[in-house]
Order: sequence, then C-alpha cells, then structure tokens
Amino acid sequence: GQSLEQPSEVTAVEGAIVQINCTYQTSGFYGLSWYQQHDGGAPTFLSYNALDGLEETGRFSSFLSRSDSYGYLLLQELQMKDSASYFCAVGPEDSWGKLQFGAGTQVVVTP
Amino acid sequence: NAGVTQTPKFQVLKTGQSMTLQCAQDMNHEYMSWYRQDPGMGLRLIHYSVGAGITDQGEVPNGYNVSRSTTEDFPLRLLSAAPSQTSVYFCASSRPGQGVHEQYFGPGTRLTVT
Repeated sequence: GQSLEQPSEVTAVEGAIVQINCTYQTSGFYGLSWYQQHDGGAPTFLSYNALDGLEETGRFSSFLSRSDSYGYLLLQELQMKDSASYFCAVGPEDSWGKLQFGAGTQVVVTP
Repeated sequence: NAGVTQTPKFQVLKTGQSMTLQCAQDMNHEYMSWYRQDPGMGLRLIHYSVGAGITDQGEVPNGYNVSRSTTEDFPLRLLSAAPSQTSVYFCASSRPGQGVHEQYFGPGTRLTVT
C-alpha cells in the first residue's frame, strides 16, 4: 500500500516563500508530482520529479529525496492568486496507470 | 483543442437511480482515469484505462463501472446511486510520453445523491 502525508494548511503573506512538505510510504516508486487546485476548479499539473534533486519552473520549485521518501514544493514570491490547495502524488512502478494523491495543503496568502 | 470535457457539470440523483458521467478528450491520449474528491480526502482513483478496450480498477471501484470503446471517450456508470457517492468526480487523461504523473483534468461533475 501507499500513504502520503502533507500539512493541511499553510498561511503566508504576499511576497513570502512557502515550502509544502510531502512524505510518502510506497511499495514501489515511480515519481512524485504536484498539482494545484483553486476552489471550485480542476487540479492542474505543476511539476514532476523522477530523480533526486530540485526542479525549477518559474516561481515554483519541487524537490525529491528518494532515500528519505520525501519531497517538497517551494512557492516563491507569493501572490494572492497562489491561494489554492496543493496536492502531492506518487505512482508505483508496477502500476503505470495509477496515481495516488495526498490529502492536500491549503495555502492561504494574505496581503 | 477542447482538452478534457465532462458532462453534466451538476447532477442530483435519488438513491437507487443509475446514471452515466461522460468524459471525452480530443488530445489523442491513451491514458484516462476517473477520480472522486471528497472534502479533506484529496483525489481517489476509481477506475483507469491504458487504451481502448483496456480498463482496470483503482482504489475505490465499488459501485462504478467503466468501459473504453474509443480513445476519446471514457464514461463512468453509477449502477445504483447511494448517498456515499455524493462527491465531485474528475476525469483525467495523459499520454505515454508525459507519463502518468502529468495528467490533464476535466472541470468535474458535482454529484449529489439524496
């Protein structure tokens, strides 16, 4: 089986940096991805890490440490529009079609 | 491209009724999935398909059926609706080159079962 843990909520001010951690336990591992979801909207893909290290995409970066079963999403120069839920997800090596999501972290950006 | 489309956007059913949630994509993606999202529980995989004619169960398949007769369409059938199936349902697709991790989601169907 698999389990993922991430904080339920994080609050920060505009312009700040927020780090959302994700720890996982899986029987196999294929990669860690991150999705953003605004209230009432659909999840949208942000980033994917298959190998250890940091992936940077604009103001967002994602990190993975396979030996620690740990990853994080870093949101820099926070903007009001970044207020949303962020989900980490893992996929096992033996099930190409399956992706398991964490419960999500609600990020609240204040002025 | 329209991307991933879902119909209807909202639906109210009575316990015991059946219905089909429609999902279509015009990106020629081989992989399609159905998820349900309940408050505080993230997204849970119901069924998925790796191509036309091939489907498999996800984490919470009971009470749902799927079929994949074409690459474009992946309908989800509720056989006998129960209040526990009140949820938001998302369909998603991805292509082999992107991997299962980069999925494109439809706008969702908000289902209430009374």
